[in-house]
Amino acid sequence: EAQVTQNPRYLITVTGKKLTVTCSQNMNHEYMSWYRQDPGLGLRQIYYSMNVEVTDKGDVPEGYKVSRKEKRNFPLILESPSPNQTSLYFCASSRSRGNTDTQYFGPGTRLTVL
Amino acid sequence: AQKVTQAQTEISVVEKEDVTLDCVYETRDTTYYLFWYKQPPSGELVFLIRRNSFDEQNEISGRYSWNFQKSTSSFNFTITASQVVDSAVYFCALSVEGGSEKLVFGKGTKLTVNP
Repeated sequence: EAQVTQNPRYLITVTGKKLTVTCSQNMNHEYMSWYRQDPGLGLRQIYYSMNVEVTDKGDVPEGYKVSRKEKRNFPLILESPSPNQTSLYFCASSRSRGNTDTQYFGPGTRLTVL
Repeated sequence: AQKVTQAQTEISVVEKEDVTLDCVYETRDTTYYLFWYKQPPSGELVFLIRRNSFDEQNEISGRYSWNFQKSTSSFNFTITASQVVDSAVYFCALSVEGGSEKLVFGKGTKLTVNP
C-alpha cells in the first residue's frame, strides 16, 4: 500500500531533550516536506527536500533540522525542543515538483513539549 | 505572495442538507494549482482534488463538486446531501508554478454535520 508513515504518532517530552520524528514513504517520491499545524495558524511549512541531499527552509525552520540521506526517509530533528514547538506535525511527499504535484500526507505526530 | 482565504471558520448543518465551503485565493501568477484536503477528527489529511489554473471545468465526484471561477478567484467546494461522516475540517490550498516550493493553506473550515 502506497503510504507515508511517521513515528512516533504521539510524543510527550521535556524542554531540551533532543528528539527525532521519522518520516518514510514507499512511493519513490522525490519531494518531501514537513509542516506543523497550530490552532488559528493552519499548516505552515518547516522544511522541504527536492531530492536526496537537497533540503531547504520553509516558513518556520527555526529550532528544526532535517536530513535526506535516502530518498524514502526525511527525519525531522529537534535538537533542543521548547514548549512553543508543541504542535501537530505532518510529513508529506509528492512525485516531483512538490508544490504543484499532489502532496500525500502522513498520519501526523502530536508533540507536546513540557 | 500567495494567499488563501476560507472565510467560514465553522459551519453546522443537518444531515442531508447541501453545504458549500468557500475558498478565495490570491496570486499574481498565471500558472497555479488549487487543492482541497479533508481532515477528519482522526487527524490525518486526505487529498480530495487538484486543479490547475488552465482548467476551469467544474468537477463532480459522487456527492462532492467543485466550482472553479478565475473571474472571482474562487474554488468553492459543495457537498450534496451531507452525511455525518463528512464532519471534518476542510482545507483549501494553493501553489504556483516556479514559485516557492510549498503549499499555501487556508485556515480551514470546520464542518459539523448533525444527524
